[in-house]
Amino acid sequence: DSGVTQTPKHLITATGQRVTLRCSPRSGDLSVYWYQQSLDQGLQFLIQYYNGEERAKGNILERFSAQQFPDLHSELNLSSLELGDSALYFCASSELSGRAETQYFGPGTRLLVL
Amino acid sequence: DQQVKQNSPSLSVQEGRISILNCDYTNSMFDYFLWYKKYPAEGPTFLISISSIKDKNEDGRFTVFLNKSAKHLSLHIVPSQPGDSAVYFCAASALDDYKLSFGAGTTVTVRA
Repeated sequence: DSGVTQTPKHLITATGQRVTLRCSPRSGDLSVYWYQQSLDQGLQFLIQYYNGEERAKGNILERFSAQQFPDLHSELNLSSLELGDSALYFCASSELSGRAETQYFGPGTRLLVL
Repeated sequence: DQQVKQNSPSLSVQEGRISILNCDYTNSMFDYFLWYKKYPAEGPTFLISISSIKDKNEDGRFTVFLNKSAKHLSLHIVPSQPGDSAVYFCAASALDDYKLSFGAGTTVTVRA
């Protein structure tokens, strides 16, 4: 158990809908990262938050947004969902800002868009 | 552009023998490397890491070797155990970056 929690574990929704994925980092960790793993693909970095502020952005679509709250939990919002958004979404956390740090991953949320 | 490459999608090894997983990278700015293990329906679990100032790091049955000139790293697992059957991901981070770049993974099967 990494100490990172994600909810929900599974999510099934329809195209055009909006969903919110939630992540609670390990106790004491200030950084939260979101990654997407599509079928037959490696993990792709989406976005990082550090202590409530956006720190780095990767291949995140404009339809996707995230935020980190004062209690350091984070939410990833996916809107206008398309079939291709079906994937595993992982949250990870690290102690500080992420430079040369180990990231610890949650169990993931499996999103299926029908 | 895949900056971290794991060219062997799968590896089968007998229990008790050594497993060697390979990883190549193209970004010369990478200075921190990690290996993760992933079971189905679970998140990646951190195994071992190495900084670019070292060429070897050992933790129990797991040893990571880094060859900076060849931009190559490898993970040795010895002896291999049935519980080691999983997908192994190589990851790296760069001097000027916060994210991890991942390889596509290698599926290891340990045969009894």
